[in-house]
Parts: sequence; C-alpha cells; structure tokens
Amino acid sequence: AQKVTQAQTEISVVEKEDVTLDCVYETRDTTYYLFWYKQPPSGELVFLIRRNSFDEQNEISGRYSWNFQKSTSSFNFTITASQVVDSAVYFCALSEFREYGNKLVFGAGTILRVKS
Amino acid sequence: KAGVTQTPRYLIKTRGQQVTLSCSPISGHRSVSWYQQTPGQGLQFLFEYFSETQRNKGNFPGRFSGRQFSNSRSEMNVSTLELGDSALYLCASSFGEAGQPQHFGDGTRLSIL
Repeated sequence: AQKVTQAQTEISVVEKEDVTLDCVYETRDTTYYLFWYKQPPSGELVFLIRRNSFDEQNEISGRYSWNFQKSTSSFNFTITASQVVDSAVYFCALSEFREYGNKLVFGAGTILRVKS
Repeated sequence: KAGVTQTPRYLIKTRGQQVTLSCSPISGHRSVSWYQQTPGQGLQFLFEYFSETQRNKGNFPGRFSGRQFSNSRSEMNVSTLELGDSALYLCASSFGEAGQPQHFGDGTRLSIL
C-alpha cells in the first residue's frame, strides 16, 4: 500500500533559521515519483519539486534543498535562511507508476510558521 | 500561460442538493484530477480523467462523479449532498504521463448547511 507520513504537524521558526521538513513514504512499486507542494493561505497548491525513484541526487534550488534517500524511504525538504513568505503548509506526495494515471497520495502536511 | 481555473470559488448548499464544479486545465494538458481537502482527512484523490475517460478513481461513494469534455475541461458533480462533503475541492492538470507534475487551481470551497 502507498502511504506518506509527515510526522511534523507544525513547526515554528524565527526568520533566518534553517528548517527541515521530514517526509517518509511507503510503496511496493519500484518506479515511483515523489513531490513537494506548498499551500499558502490562498489555497492553491504550488508545485516545488519532483523526484523519480531512480534519481537519488540531492537538489538545491536557491534557499530550497531536497534530500532523497531510498535506504530510509525519506524525501526531506530543507529551507535555508527561512523568510516570513515561506510560511505555508507543505505537502509531500507520492505517485506510483503502476497506479495507472497520476494519482497523488499526500501526507498530512506540515504547517510552517516563520516569525519575524 | 494561464493556470488552472476553477469555478466557482465558493459555494453554499444545503443537505440533499446537488452541485457541479468546473475546472479548466492549463492549455495543452489532457489530464485533469480532482482532490478533496478536509481538516480531518487531508488531501484525498477523487478521480482522474484523461482524453474524456476516467483513468483512475479514489475511494469515494458513487455520489461523486465527473466528466471531461473534448477540450479537456472537466466537471465534478456531487449529488445528495451531506454535511461531510463540506471541503475544499481542488482540480489539477498535467500532460498525463506518469509522474508528470500536476498543477493545481485555487479550489472551490463548498459549504453544506
């Protein structure tokens, strides 16, 4: 069965602190895709990154970085030097190749509050 | 490039009524998926349409249905509304290949009185 766990319900940090959002997934498929989305108060889910199961390279995009480790079934997201605008709910999601189509299974989300 | 457009943004209905939500995907996208977001259950997959055919379906009762038109626009219908159907309904579109990032609309917030 496919499952995504985001154990951190809510994180509060002060601006300029680094913060890591954890994501652990379960899947029986050998080909799968992992995603991170950001949901600001407006409600729209904003796509941040996609990783496929064959690419374990870490990625950095500006202040954002992602650490994908198949050995621990984790796909963690780090924001460096956090800013107030980073305040949002962040979702990790999984899509399995064998699940015909593009069904996304989401974690419960982590609320990130960045205080000035 | 226009994003995913959902209408209406807000809806208030009463129990027993039915409702239709609309989603216009990004131009060129052939896959449209629907998700329900509630505080208790989080984000849950409803169904996906690709080239006017339902390609995948989540675990929701038959009261939830959808369709897709030849221009890839999609509608979702909920009949015999229940209080528990109050939620944010999100539509997402993509090109349709496995693993493609899905791009979401602002959602329709449905409140059942």
